[in-house]
Amino acid sequence: AQSVTQLGSHVSVSEGALVLLRCNYSSSVPPYLFWYVQYPNQGLQLLLKYTSAATLVKGINGFEAEFKKSETSFHLTKPSAHMSDAAEYFCAVTGGFKTIFGAGTRLFVKA
Amino acid sequence: DAGVIQSPRHEVTEMGQEVTLRCKPISGHNSLFWYRQTMMRGLELLIYFNNNVPIDDSGMPEDRFSAKMPNASFSTLKIQPSEPRDSAVYFCASSLASGRGDEKLFFGSGTQLSVL
Repeated sequence: AQSVTQLGSHVSVSEGALVLLRCNYSSSVPPYLFWYVQYPNQGLQLLLKYTSAATLVKGINGFEAEFKKSETSFHLTKPSAHMSDAAEYFCAVTGGFKTIFGAGTRLFVKA
Repeated sequence: DAGVIQSPRHEVTEMGQEVTLRCKPISGHNSLFWYRQTMMRGLELLIYFNNNVPIDDSGMPEDRFSAKMPNASFSTLKIQPSEPRDSAVYFCASSLASGRGDEKLFFGSGTQLSVL
């Protein structure tokens, strides 16, 4: 069965600093992996997805994630945080028709 | 496209009452999902439909919960009777499933349910 684990329920960075949100996956088959973002009082929106075409995946709003099979990781990064990046971020994996979400990491951005 | 539309946006009810949540998926999408989000349990998949047929309802917590999809443009999630522990945000999401498993989910804005 597929699953994802997000390390850290809360991450705080200063504006302009590097953002790193960690996600490790467990899958018996090559996985499809996703990062979604949830702004307050809204549903989730797709940031990016990995489908095995390339290990470095670029998404919206300057985010990117790198698939590392040896580490079973799919960490999300952004070189320079902006105040508008403050939100909750979810790593997800699909198994069949199902999308299974991690517990989420709330990102705080300090001015 | 208007996106996935959920109603109501907020619902406050008393314990024991019936609650019906509604969802209109994106036109052309063939898969629909109901999720529940709480602080304690995060995002839980309750049920998903493919081509209006329930494929997996193993996430439905109890017999008090039921979901229907009478046609491709409408789904309901019903709780009867409701209990305070059902208080959560309920999301509907839809996708165009290709069978590969890499489909993007489109989420509605959710229904905030409070059972007093």
